[in-house]
Amino acid sequence: AQSVTQPDIHITVSEGASLELRCNYSYGATPYLFWYVQSPGQGLQLLLKYFSGDTLVQGIKGFEAEFKRSQSSFNLRKPSVHWSDAAEYFCAVGSYTGTASKLTFGTGTRLQVTL
Amino acid sequence: DSGVTQTPKHLITATGQRVTLRCSPRSGDLSVYWYQQSLDQGLQFLIQYYNGEERAKGNILERFSAQQFPDLHSELNLSSLELGDSALYFCASSGRGRMFGYTFGSGTRLTVV
Repeated sequence: AQSVTQPDIHITVSEGASLELRCNYSYGATPYLFWYVQSPGQGLQLLLKYFSGDTLVQGIKGFEAEFKRSQSSFNLRKPSVHWSDAAEYFCAVGSYTGTASKLTFGTGTRLQVTL
Repeated sequence: DSGVTQTPKHLITATGQRVTLRCSPRSGDLSVYWYQQSLDQGLQFLIQYYNGEERAKGNILERFSAQQFPDLHSELNLSSLELGDSALYFCASSGRGRMFGYTFGSGTRLTVV
């Protein structure tokens, strides 16, 4: 069964500093990987996804993630964090069979941004 | 507005009661997914429906059931509620050809007292 580990429960960075959120996955085949963001009281918004091809994936809001098969990782990065990036971030791995699909989420990393 | 509508936004009910959560998917989306988000369990996949038929099942309790109607809206029924069922329940939808192109609703916050 697939699983996702986000080792950092809470991260604090200063506005303008760089950010890296860690994600490790366990999946038997080629993984479909995702990063979602959840602001307080909101639903989940897709930041980016990796299906195949270029291992460096660009997303919305200036985020990018790099897939490293050898390390089973899919870390999320942003060169310069803005105060509005404060939120909870979830990494997920997707599995599907025909029209059946599901996402398995990590436990999330809460990002706090200090001014 | 994501296009996925969940009602109600908040629900407070007593233990032992039954509630129904409703989800209207994005226009044209055939799949509906239900997820539960709680402090101790995190985000858990419950169930998926595709064009009215159950397609995938996750960690859904026997006290919970769901269905998708001909107009593609879905309902999640939670019965014999326990304090531990308090959580945020999300619905997501996706369309044919958009593998994992999930759009999430803003959720229903259920509080069992």
